[in-house]
Amino acid sequence: EDQVTQSPEALRLQEGESSSLNCSYTVSGLRGLFWYRQDPGKGPEFLFTLYSAGEEKEKERLKATLTKKESFLHITAPKPEDSATYLCAVQAGASYGKLTFGQGTILTVHP
Amino acid sequence: GAVVSQHPSRVICKSGTSVKIECRSLDFQATTMFWYRQFPKQSLMLMATSNEGSKATYEQGVEKDKFLINHASLTLSTLTVTSAHPEDSSFYICSASGGPTFQETQYFGPGTRLLVL
Repeated sequence: EDQVTQSPEALRLQEGESSSLNCSYTVSGLRGLFWYRQDPGKGPEFLFTLYSAGEEKEKERLKATLTKKESFLHITAPKPEDSATYLCAVQAGASYGKLTFGQGTILTVHP
Repeated sequence: GAVVSQHPSRVICKSGTSVKIECRSLDFQATTMFWYRQFPKQSLMLMATSNEGSKATYEQGVEKDKFLINHASLTLSTLTVTSAHPEDSSFYICSASGGPTFQETQYFGPGTRLLVL
Protein backbone atom coordinates (compact mmCIF):
# COMPACT_ATOMS: atom_id res chain seq x y z
CA GLU A 1 0.00 0.00 0.00
CA ASP A 2 1.28 3.45 -0.91
CA GLN A 3 2.06 5.63 2.10
CA VAL A 4 3.01 9.27 2.49
CA THR A 5 4.12 10.83 5.77
CA GLN A 6 4.73 14.53 6.18
CA SER A 7 6.65 16.22 8.97
CA PRO A 8 6.38 18.29 10.96
CA GLU A 9 2.60 18.51 11.36
CA ALA A 10 2.93 22.22 12.06
CA LEU A 11 5.77 24.68 11.71
CA ARG A 12 5.98 28.23 12.99
CA LEU A 13 8.63 30.51 11.52
CA GLN A 14 9.61 34.10 11.83
CA GLU A 15 9.64 36.09 8.63
CA GLY A 16 12.97 35.50 6.93
CA GLU A 17 13.70 32.28 8.85
CA SER A 18 14.40 29.57 6.26
CA SER A 19 13.37 25.96 6.87
CA SER A 20 12.37 22.69 5.20
CA LEU A 21 9.31 20.47 5.14
CA ASN A 22 9.70 16.72 4.75
CA CYS A 23 7.67 14.17 2.81
CA SER A 24 8.61 10.51 3.22
CA TYR A 25 6.99 7.99 0.92
CA THR A 26 6.63 4.29 0.27
CA VAL A 27 5.25 3.47 -3.14
CA SER A 28 5.50 0.77 -5.76
CA GLY A 29 6.91 2.36 -8.85
CA LEU A 30 6.87 6.11 -8.28
CA ARG A 31 5.39 7.89 -11.25
CA GLY A 32 5.46 11.36 -9.76
CA LEU A 33 5.61 13.28 -6.49
CA PHE A 34 3.52 16.41 -6.22
CA TRP A 35 3.57 19.41 -3.91
CA TYR A 36 0.49 21.54 -3.41
CA ARG A 37 -0.32 24.55 -1.28
CA GLN A 38 -3.76 24.83 0.29
CA ASP A 39 -5.20 27.95 1.89
CA PRO A 40 -8.12 27.63 4.35
CA GLY A 41 -11.42 27.02 2.59
CA LYS A 42 -9.83 26.64 -0.85
CA GLY A 43 -8.73 23.86 -3.15
CA PRO A 44 -5.07 22.85 -3.38
CA GLU A 45 -2.87 24.95 -5.64
CA PHE A 46 -0.28 23.09 -7.70
CA LEU A 47 3.36 23.89 -6.95
CA PHE A 48 5.70 21.21 -8.30
CA THR A 49 5.92 17.78 -9.86
CA LEU A 50 9.09 15.71 -9.41
CA TYR A 51 9.61 12.51 -11.36
CA SER A 52 13.00 11.05 -10.47
CA ALA A 53 15.58 11.04 -7.68
CA GLY A 54 17.95 13.97 -7.88
CA GLU A 55 15.44 16.24 -9.54
CA GLU A 56 15.00 19.77 -8.17
CA LYS A 57 12.50 22.51 -9.01
CA GLU A 58 12.26 26.10 -7.85
CA LYS A 59 9.59 28.75 -7.76
CA GLU A 60 10.18 32.05 -6.02
CA ARG A 61 11.06 31.23 -2.38
CA LEU A 62 10.28 27.52 -2.73
CA LYS A 63 12.56 24.70 -3.84
CA ALA A 64 11.53 21.05 -4.02
CA THR A 65 13.97 18.15 -4.09
CA LEU A 66 13.50 14.40 -4.44
CA THR A 67 15.39 11.31 -3.32
CA LYS A 68 14.38 7.66 -3.57
CA LYS A 69 12.66 7.80 -0.17
CA GLU A 70 11.69 11.39 0.49
CA SER A 71 11.14 14.86 -0.79
CA PHE A 72 11.92 18.20 0.81
CA LEU A 73 10.24 21.53 0.28
CA HIS A 74 12.74 24.23 1.19
CA ILE A 75 11.39 27.68 2.00
CA THR A 76 13.94 30.47 1.81
CA ALA A 77 13.31 33.73 3.66
CA PRO A 78 9.59 33.09 4.04
CA LYS A 79 7.01 35.85 4.19
CA PRO A 80 3.67 35.88 6.05
CA GLU A 81 1.87 35.23 2.75
CA ASP A 82 3.62 31.85 2.57
CA SER A 83 1.47 30.72 5.50
CA ALA A 84 -0.66 27.77 4.32
CA THR A 85 -0.95 24.01 4.50
CA TYR A 86 1.55 22.28 2.23
CA LEU A 87 0.47 18.92 0.87
CA CYS A 88 2.64 16.21 -0.61
CA ALA A 89 1.17 13.47 -2.81
CA VAL A 90 2.53 10.52 -4.76
CA GLN A 91 1.33 8.81 -7.87
CA ALA A 92 2.23 5.16 -8.31
CA GLY A 93 2.77 3.44 -11.60
CA ALA A 94 -0.33 1.28 -11.37
CA SER A 95 -2.62 3.88 -9.86
CA TYR A 96 -4.14 5.23 -13.10
CA GLY A 97 -3.50 8.78 -12.03
CA LYS A 98 -4.69 8.38 -8.45
CA LEU A 99 -2.87 10.48 -5.85
CA THR A 100 -2.07 9.40 -2.32
CA PHE A 101 -1.81 12.43 -0.05
CA GLY A 102 0.09 13.02 3.15
CA GLN A 103 -1.59 14.74 6.06
CA GLY A 104 0.05 18.05 5.28
CA THR A 105 2.25 20.52 7.13
CA ILE A 106 0.62 23.68 8.46
CA LEU A 107 3.09 26.51 8.00
CA THR A 108 2.66 29.79 9.87
CA VAL A 109 5.05 32.65 9.18
CA HIS A 110 4.98 35.48 11.70
CA PRO A 111 5.95 39.02 10.68
CA GLY B 1 -3.34 27.81 -17.79
CA ALA B 2 -4.81 24.76 -16.03
CA VAL B 3 -7.81 26.42 -14.42
CA VAL B 4 -10.56 24.33 -12.84
CA SER B 5 -13.81 25.83 -11.60
CA GLN B 6 -16.53 24.47 -9.34
CA HIS B 7 -20.10 25.54 -8.88
CA PRO B 8 -21.60 26.27 -6.48
CA SER B 9 -18.94 27.34 -4.01
CA ARG B 10 -21.31 26.88 -1.11
CA VAL B 11 -24.67 25.16 -0.75
CA ILE B 12 -27.08 24.64 2.12
CA CYS B 13 -29.86 22.10 1.71
CA LYS B 14 -32.44 20.24 3.71
CA SER B 15 -32.00 16.61 4.66
CA GLY B 16 -33.39 14.29 1.99
CA THR B 17 -32.80 16.55 -0.96
CA SER B 18 -30.27 16.06 -3.76
CA VAL B 19 -27.45 18.43 -4.58
CA LYS B 20 -25.48 18.67 -7.82
CA ILE B 21 -21.94 20.06 -7.95
CA GLU B 22 -20.30 20.96 -11.26
CA CYS B 23 -16.59 20.79 -12.04
CA ARG B 24 -15.24 22.37 -15.21
CA SER B 25 -11.78 22.53 -16.76
CA LEU B 26 -11.71 25.98 -18.34
CA ASP B 27 -8.60 25.96 -20.52
CA PHE B 28 -7.75 22.33 -21.16
CA GLN B 29 -9.45 19.05 -21.94
CA ALA B 30 -9.63 16.79 -18.92
CA THR B 31 -9.49 13.14 -19.81
CA THR B 32 -9.75 12.26 -16.14
CA MET B 33 -11.49 14.02 -13.29
CA PHE B 34 -11.33 13.15 -9.62
CA TRP B 35 -13.65 13.90 -6.73
CA TYR B 36 -12.35 14.34 -3.19
CA ARG B 37 -13.88 14.97 0.18
CA GLN B 38 -12.08 16.85 2.94
CA PHE B 39 -13.05 17.02 6.60
CA PRO B 40 -11.81 19.82 8.85
CA LYS B 41 -8.09 19.64 9.60
CA GLN B 42 -7.74 16.48 7.53
CA SER B 43 -6.19 15.71 4.20
CA LEU B 44 -8.03 14.96 0.98
CA MET B 45 -9.85 11.65 0.65
CA LEU B 46 -10.40 10.39 -2.88
CA MET B 47 -14.00 9.41 -3.53
CA ALA B 48 -13.99 8.47 -7.20
CA THR B 49 -12.21 8.73 -10.52
CA SER B 50 -14.06 9.43 -13.74
CA ASN B 51 -13.00 9.27 -17.36
CA GLU B 52 -14.94 11.01 -20.09
CA GLY B 53 -17.66 8.77 -21.44
CA SER B 54 -17.04 5.97 -18.93
CA LYS B 55 -18.53 4.94 -15.62
CA ALA B 56 -16.78 6.32 -12.58
CA THR B 57 -14.54 4.15 -10.43
CA TYR B 58 -15.37 4.52 -6.75
CA GLU B 59 -13.00 4.06 -3.84
CA GLN B 60 -13.73 1.41 -1.28
CA GLY B 61 -16.40 2.52 1.17
CA VAL B 62 -17.90 5.19 -1.07
CA GLU B 63 -21.54 4.52 -1.97
CA LYS B 64 -21.90 4.86 -5.72
CA ASP B 65 -25.70 5.12 -5.49
CA LYS B 66 -25.40 8.02 -3.09
CA PHE B 67 -22.64 9.91 -4.90
CA LEU B 68 -23.52 9.91 -8.59
CA ILE B 69 -20.75 11.02 -10.91
CA ASN B 70 -21.16 11.93 -14.56
CA HIS B 71 -18.30 12.90 -16.87
CA ALA B 72 -20.20 13.72 -20.03
CA SER B 73 -17.58 15.82 -21.78
CA LEU B 74 -13.87 16.58 -21.69
CA THR B 75 -14.53 19.76 -19.73
CA LEU B 76 -17.36 18.89 -17.36
CA SER B 77 -17.94 16.42 -14.55
CA THR B 78 -20.78 16.50 -12.05
CA LEU B 79 -21.19 15.03 -8.59
CA THR B 80 -24.73 14.55 -7.31
CA VAL B 81 -25.23 13.84 -3.64
CA THR B 82 -28.56 12.04 -3.51
CA SER B 83 -30.86 12.12 -0.48
CA ALA B 84 -28.31 14.15 1.45
CA HIS B 85 -28.07 13.79 5.22
CA PRO B 86 -26.19 15.87 7.81
CA GLU B 87 -23.29 13.42 7.79
CA ASP B 88 -22.73 14.28 4.11
CA SER B 89 -21.83 17.82 5.11
CA SER B 90 -18.25 18.37 4.03
CA PHE B 91 -15.91 20.18 1.65
CA TYR B 92 -16.00 18.58 -1.80
CA ILE B 93 -13.14 19.26 -4.21
CA CYS B 94 -12.69 18.14 -7.79
CA SER B 95 -9.52 17.91 -9.81
CA ALA B 96 -8.77 17.41 -13.47
CA SER B 97 -5.85 16.05 -15.45
CA GLY B 98 -5.12 15.26 -19.03
CA GLY B 99 -3.79 16.55 -22.29
CA PRO B 100 -0.23 16.36 -23.58
CA THR B 101 0.82 19.67 -22.04
CA PHE B 102 -0.01 18.91 -18.45
CA GLN B 103 0.82 15.20 -18.38
CA GLU B 104 -0.70 13.68 -15.27
CA THR B 105 -0.64 16.60 -12.86
CA GLN B 106 -4.00 17.11 -11.18
CA TYR B 107 -5.30 20.65 -11.03
CA PHE B 108 -7.84 21.33 -8.35
CA GLY B 109 -10.99 23.38 -8.25
CA PRO B 110 -11.75 25.84 -5.44
CA GLY B 111 -14.04 23.41 -3.65
CA THR B 112 -17.72 23.32 -2.67
CA ARG B 113 -18.83 23.60 0.94
CA LEU B 114 -21.97 21.49 1.51
CA LEU B 115 -24.07 21.90 4.63
CA VAL B 116 -27.04 19.58 5.09
CA LEU B 117 -29.54 20.67 7.71
